[in-house]
Amino acid sequence: QKEVEQDPGPLSVPEGAIVSLNCTYSNSAFQYFMWYRQYSRKGPELLMYTYSSGNKEDGRFTAQVDKSSKYISLFIRDSQPSDSATYLCAMNTGGGYQKVTFGTGTKLQVIP
Amino acid sequence: GAVVSQHPSWVICKSGTSVKIECRSLDFQATTMFWYRQFPKQSLMLMATSNEGSKATYEQGVEKDKFLINHASLTLSTLTVTSAHPEDSSFYICSAREEKGNNQPQHFGDGTRLSIL
Repeated sequence: QKEVEQDPGPLSVPEGAIVSLNCTYSNSAFQYFMWYRQYSRKGPELLMYTYSSGNKEDGRFTAQVDKSSKYISLFIRDSQPSDSATYLCAMNTGGGYQKVTFGTGTKLQVIP
Repeated sequence: GAVVSQHPSWVICKSGTSVKIECRSLDFQATTMFWYRQFPKQSLMLMATSNEGSKATYEQGVEKDKFLINHASLTLSTLTVTSAHPEDSSFYICSAREEKGNNQPQHFGDGTRLSIL
């Protein structure tokens, strides 16, 4: 079993839809959670960085963490064609050594 | 803020040559940088952790003599693929972490696409 599970998609939605992207994890030691957006042939771009359980909002993006269920989500409101990319969840245990474990990524396509 | 620059973005070279990739943190200092490899439609695979002023820490299965890492300053790490062969063709991405406090997230460069003929 992988430490981090993420549905690879692809996920196709119409423009303006609310998108829900999810990851589950098995290591209860994970404390820090990130969402990255990666366009084709580019490096990942940090979107959200959270620590505690609950919600964190930034513009059209909301990151949700449920440590009791080992489940994290990223919601995108009013999705735009420019949101079409691969979204990677990532997490680590914190502390001095920051080896990050990544999900495999979900490919999102927002159709105009 | 937190911009990481990676150069070159694309390299094509003959089998047997060595290729150097640079990773720079432009607006912050990074004691630690990371080198990843990404295959098509797959996630990032950590190759090594680059530590300023000391030897890199390589992940299991990554050849130290094949992938030379140098982290000579707080803003620059380099990855040299020595005697590259077609199986080394891949997308290489670096990342860096700001040093203000612990547990800062990694910021990534735009990657280098390496094609060995």
